[in-house]
Amino acid sequence: EPEVTQTPSHQVTQMGQEVILRCVPISNHLYFYWYRQILGQKVEFLVSFYNNEISEKSEIFDDQFSVERPDGSNFTLKIRSTKLEDSAMYFCASSVGGGWDAFFGQGTRLTVV
Amino acid sequence: AQKVTQAQTEISVVEKEDVTLDCVYETRDTTYYLFWYKQPPSGELVFLIRRNSFDEQNEISGRYSWNFQKSTSSFNFTITASQVVDSAVYFCALSEARNQGGKLIFGQGTELSVKP
Repeated sequence: EPEVTQTPSHQVTQMGQEVILRCVPISNHLYFYWYRQILGQKVEFLVSFYNNEISEKSEIFDDQFSVERPDGSNFTLKIRSTKLEDSAMYFCASSVGGGWDAFFGQGTRLTVV
Repeated sequence: AQKVTQAQTEISVVEKEDVTLDCVYETRDTTYYLFWYKQPPSGELVFLIRRNSFDEQNEISGRYSWNFQKSTSSFNFTITASQVVDSAVYFCALSEARNQGGKLIFGQGTELSVKP
């Protein structure tokens, strides 16, 4: 069964460092998303991406964040200068269309120290 | 404003009991989609169901059933004869059709603990 895969599963980084979280969406899906979940809290939308551009982004997704689909299969989230409060589980998701079933990867746990 | 409320933070039941998880949503859209996801202790988010706003038929899948009522803006989830493996956090989510990017708005989640 097709699935969304994310790497790494866990990343520890020092405050101020840049991190890149990687995702391989399901191959025939056209919409891609990043969400985050701070420990014990709800899942929050960060950004949606369609047709090689951002469709929508939340207030959380400030200038420190960027997304890219560099090669037609990978979808990446970059955080330029990490802060302690960026520590969270980051989920990638994909769907065939907006509003369709969104399937999530297993998540990347980011710890900023 | 779009919002999803799961008023039950934690529920604890004994195996084989039936349990209902409540979800109330707010939206100004006439076309929208409702979802349930399961987050087991391993942390991944598992898709369970999607309903669109024009389809109020209840859905049953094995021990799982969903009751969608537009009149009360609710999309409740019932597990019949619960099992220990059902222990997880369950999230209800909303996506509005006018939001063509497909953004999901999640509720706070309900942590279900099923004891043997």
